[in-house]
Amino acid sequence: DAKTTQPPSMDCAEGRAANLPCNHSTISGNEYVYWYRQIHSQGPQYIIHGLKNNETNEMASLIITEDRKSSTLILPHATLRDTAVYYCIVRVAVGGAQKLVFGQGTRLTINP
Amino acid sequence: KAGVTQTPRYLIKTRGQQVTLSCSPISGHRSVSWYQQTPGQGLQFLFEYFSETQRNKGNFPGRFSGRQFSNSRSEMNVSTLELGDSALYLCASSGGSLGGSYEQYFGPGTRLTVT
Repeated sequence: DAKTTQPPSMDCAEGRAANLPCNHSTISGNEYVYWYRQIHSQGPQYIIHGLKNNETNEMASLIITEDRKSSTLILPHATLRDTAVYYCIVRVAVGGAQKLVFGQGTRLTINP
Repeated sequence: KAGVTQTPRYLIKTRGQQVTLSCSPISGHRSVSWYQQTPGQGLQFLFEYFSETQRNKGNFPGRFSGRQFSNSRSEMNVSTLELGDSALYLCASSGGSLGGSYEQYFGPGTRLTVT
């Protein structure tokens, strides 16, 4: 399984941009990078995913480096409700079946 | 569109008993995956069902099993419960198309406590 490396924790001030890094140096050419977040004891919430190009949606932006070995999730204007554990996942496809392999994630704390 | 629903939300069982958890996916979704989350091991993949067939399986003992019905609803069963099975069990649904990209949408989970 392709592995990801994330810092265990980060802090960000409310209203500022939160930039969460992720390393995935062993990613294969057809594997996507997914980001999920989990607010305490709730089910993980899908945020965004990408293959090669940068992506943006109403929640966040995803910047993937040209060599695809790392990516950054950007929350443009962080609020207190963005406090959560953020997971960077490389999606593994095995014979058509797919599963998400979760690491330990980054615990992001938004401070007032 | 209604989200993924899981029942029951909380469950307390005794060692040696068995338990069945239920998951109803988002309407139109054909793939259902199950995950176990514990403080020590984090989120771990159990298995995935697509069109009533198990398509992928994680590294869990045979006490953990599942099935999917023709309406895509899924159940997972854990037999001979152990204390270590205490966890949050999460179900996720997706369109499940082969190849390409798709996102999984998670339910709120079932909190199982084994005493």
